[in-house]
Amino acid sequence: SQTIHQWPATLVQPVGSPLSLECTVEGTSNPNLYWYRQAAGRGLQLLFYSVGIGQISSEVPQNLSASRPQDRQFILSSKKLLLSDSGFYLCAWSDQFVEAFFGQGTRLTVV
Amino acid sequence: AQSVAQPEDQVNVAEGNPLTVKCTYSVSGNPYLFWYVQYPNRGLQFLLKYITGDNLVKGSYGFEAEFNKSQTSFHLKKPSALVSDSALYFCAILSGNTPLVFGKGTRLSVIA
Repeated sequence: SQTIHQWPATLVQPVGSPLSLECTVEGTSNPNLYWYRQAAGRGLQLLFYSVGIGQISSEVPQNLSASRPQDRQFILSSKKLLLSDSGFYLCAWSDQFVEAFFGQGTRLTVV
Repeated sequence: AQSVAQPEDQVNVAEGNPLTVKCTYSVSGNPYLFWYVQYPNRGLQFLLKYITGDNLVKGSYGFEAEFNKSQTSFHLKKPSALVSDSALYFCAILSGNTPLVFGKGTRLSVIA
């Protein structure tokens, strides 16, 4: 069966520091991968999605970037965090553009 | 572009009573519609989906949803609510070759 791993679960980082969140999927090949951000326990904002290695689509301009160095690995990064980057970050995968399955999320607090 | 609306930020229901969480959508083609649930500090869990076929879709934990094309709605329902159903519920839509688009979420509170 397929599983998705996302880490760390919580992270506290100072303003101006770099960020790297990692997500990996097991049990499937060539998945579509997504990064979402959820602010204040409410709606989900799609940040990035990828349909293949090295193929990244960005949905909104921001202080973040994403990379897909391997088929089942998706990384969310920032060179310098801002206070406004705080939030709950969710990684997800799907076989095609049908239902997505989510990781457990990373709570990022920028101080 | 497709979109979903969840008109209620909060729904309160007594335990044992039926519950409904509303969702309406806008799309130019045929939609794929989904419901997800989120418990505090957790990822989203898939509940059910409508792709085609029977308008009444049954999902996990006793939930069901009815696709209504004329009203462009996909309301989530459960005949008898449990306190453990209290969570944040998201409706989502997919149309064409694009990722899921989520509604803003509805917080369900089931009171004992």
